[in-house]
Amino acid sequence: GQQLNQSPQSMFIQEGEDVSMNCTSSSIFNTWLWYKQEPGEGPVLLIALYKAGELTSNGRLTAQFGITRKDSFLNISASIPSDVGIYFCAGQGNAGNMLTFGGGTRLMVKP
Amino acid sequence: DAGITQSPRHKVTETGTPVTLRCHQTENHRYMYWYRQDPGHGLRLIHYSYGVKDTDKGEVSDGYSVSRSKTEDFLLTLESATSSQTSVYFCAISDGQAGSEKLFFGSGTQLSVL
Repeated sequence: GQQLNQSPQSMFIQEGEDVSMNCTSSSIFNTWLWYKQEPGEGPVLLIALYKAGELTSNGRLTAQFGITRKDSFLNISASIPSDVGIYFCAGQGNAGNMLTFGGGTRLMVKP
Repeated sequence: DAGITQSPRHKVTETGTPVTLRCHQTENHRYMYWYRQDPGHGLRLIHYSYGVKDTDKGEVSDGYSVSRSKTEDFLLTLESATSSQTSVYFCAISDGQAGSEKLFFGSGTQLSVL
C-alpha cells in the first residue's frame, strides 16, 4: 500500500526556536493534512491542503503542499511548551479514498 | 470537541480472550472508523463503516471484526486477543464521503494483551 515517510521522527528543541518537519511519498496525493496529538488524546486536525503549491497558515503553524504532490511540509514558528506532542501528516489520493498516515514526528520543547 | 466517547479507556486482558471496544458518537455522522496506533507506524485503519450495518475492511483487518447496529455506536471486537494486538485504538468519525479528510478522533483505548 501507499506509505508516507515522515521526518524527523523526533525533535527536542528550545522554546522560541522554529521547527520544520516534512512528509514524503512515492505516490501522488491530492490532499495533504496535518494533525497534532497531545499526550493521552486523539489527533486533532491542524491544517488541510488541497492544491499543489498551496501555503496555509494556522496561527504560528504554516503548511505547504509540495509542487510535485508527493510531499508536504509543516513549520512552527517561535515554539512554546504547549506545542509538545506528536505531529502526523496524512495524505489522500482521490476523493473517497482512505487517508494514509505518516509515522509521526514527536516534538519536545524545553522551556 | 466532537462528541466521541470510547470505552473502556484502558484494558488489560490475556491472550486468547475476546475483547470488545466501543465507540459512541453524538454527532450523527455517517462514517465511523477504527484505527490502531503503534510506534513508528502512525495510524493504520482496521475497519470502517459507511452506515448502519455497512462496514468494510481497512489495511490491518485480520483478527478484528466490527459491528454497527445504530448510527451512534461502532464496536470493534478482537475474537481471540493476541499480544500483537497490544496497541492504542482510536475511533474516528466524519460527515462526508468515505475517506473524507476531516476526521474527528476519540481519546483512544489503551489495550494490553498479556
